[in-house]
Amino acid sequence: ELKVEQNPLFLSMQEGKNYTIYCNYSTTSDRLYWYRQDPGKSLESLFVLLSNGAVKQEGRLMASLDTKARLSTLHITAAVHDLSATYFCAVEVGRGTGNQFYFGTGTSLTVIP
Amino acid sequence: NAGVTQTPKFRVLKTGQSMTLLCAQDMNHEYMYWYRQDPGMGLRLIHYSVGEGTTAKGEVPDGYNVSRLKKQNFLLGLESAAPSQTSVYFCASSLWGAKNIQYFGAGTRLSVL
Repeated sequence: ELKVEQNPLFLSMQEGKNYTIYCNYSTTSDRLYWYRQDPGKSLESLFVLLSNGAVKQEGRLMASLDTKARLSTLHITAAVHDLSATYFCAVEVGRGTGNQFYFGTGTSLTVIP
Repeated sequence: NAGVTQTPKFRVLKTGQSMTLLCAQDMNHEYMYWYRQDPGMGLRLIHYSVGEGTTAKGEVPDGYNVSRLKKQNFLLGLESAAPSQTSVYFCASSLWGAKNIQYFGAGTRLSVL
């Protein structure tokens, strides 16, 4: 059974602090995605990581991918309240009938002033 | 530009009733997907389609059927609703390529009593 595990599931951090969210997956994949979901809203794409060693940065968020360790990280630098949301990683896996996506359980981030 | 539109936004069903959820995208995307989101479980793929006239099973297909008669529409049907199908349903679409970024609809909140 393919598993995508995120930790922590819940994260409460103060503004200005740094923290890392981890995404471990149990199958071979070269494509990993990060999405953001605000409460009661839909999901929006943050990053696409397409190869081993890929690193993408946008503002206070930086994502990386280690395909050999089957691990992706989402690093938050100097958190601000606007980053409060739930963050999901998703692994893309090729199947005979097309590619499927497996999502992690999500990390609910609350940034406290 | 509407993107991905889901109808309805909310629905309450009684056990055994049937209904169809409609997803429409105006981005000329090849791939379309139906997910369900349950607390603590992230998103799970129900069915997906790699093009007009094609459908395939995802991770949790039981109790659901789908059809993709037109490229822009992807329908999800529940023939005999069960309380276990109470969930938030998201439709997504993507343009097949190196970056298979999914664009999500606003979601349908379904309660089965």
